[in-house]
Amino acid sequence: EAQVTQNPRYLITVTGKKLTVTCSQNMNHEYMSWYRQDPGLGLRQIYYSMNVEVTDKGDVPEGYKVSRKEKRNFPLILESPSPNQTSLYFCASSVQGAITEAFFGQGTRLTVV
Amino acid sequence: SQQGEEDPQALSIQEGENATMNCSYKTSINNLQWYRQNSGRGLVHLILIRSNEREKHSGRLRVTLDTSKKSSSLLITASRAADTASYFCATGIYGNNRLAFGKGNQVVVIP
Repeated sequence: EAQVTQNPRYLITVTGKKLTVTCSQNMNHEYMSWYRQDPGLGLRQIYYSMNVEVTDKGDVPEGYKVSRKEKRNFPLILESPSPNQTSLYFCASSVQGAITEAFFGQGTRLTVV
Repeated sequence: SQQGEEDPQALSIQEGENATMNCSYKTSINNLQWYRQNSGRGLVHLILIRSNEREKHSGRLRVTLDTSKKSSSLLITASRAADTASYFCATGIYGNNRLAFGKGNQVVVIP
């Protein structure tokens, strides 16, 4: 089954404790991206990747890192999480960036206390 | 920056009625896409309409695109309780590898 898998689904952590949210897709898509969703603000893109070893900033990259060492995986790293990073996070992948449909993971609800 | 802007923001209708949502955008686009999100879950792609298309159908969904007015509409006909969700438009822009999402449009279908 074609899918984007994120882990964990729920995470509560403390300020400053590094964490990684994993994302994996099984569709051989070149393009992957991370979004955060906050009430009243819709989805905002954090980072995206056009292909292996190619990443670029989205609208709200501050406080986040990503890497794309393999085509299927695109982890999101929070080196020193802060409470304003409490949000619902989504990973997505597509064949060709913004000109083809995106497939989304189920989301990771992160709470930073 | 946010590109799409849906209108109305929230809609409540009876089962069997039609639901219409609008989306406006500011710059030239390559395509416009609509997504559905059920209660905090992942977004599901509904339909993609390219800038050279005016109308597209998929089952009970009808999407129109007016590039002169920089707007799109999503019509759901004969709505069902299962259509209760948030609906987002997203634009793909020329020379930009990013999808820009609107803030979403909540639809409640009352059985």
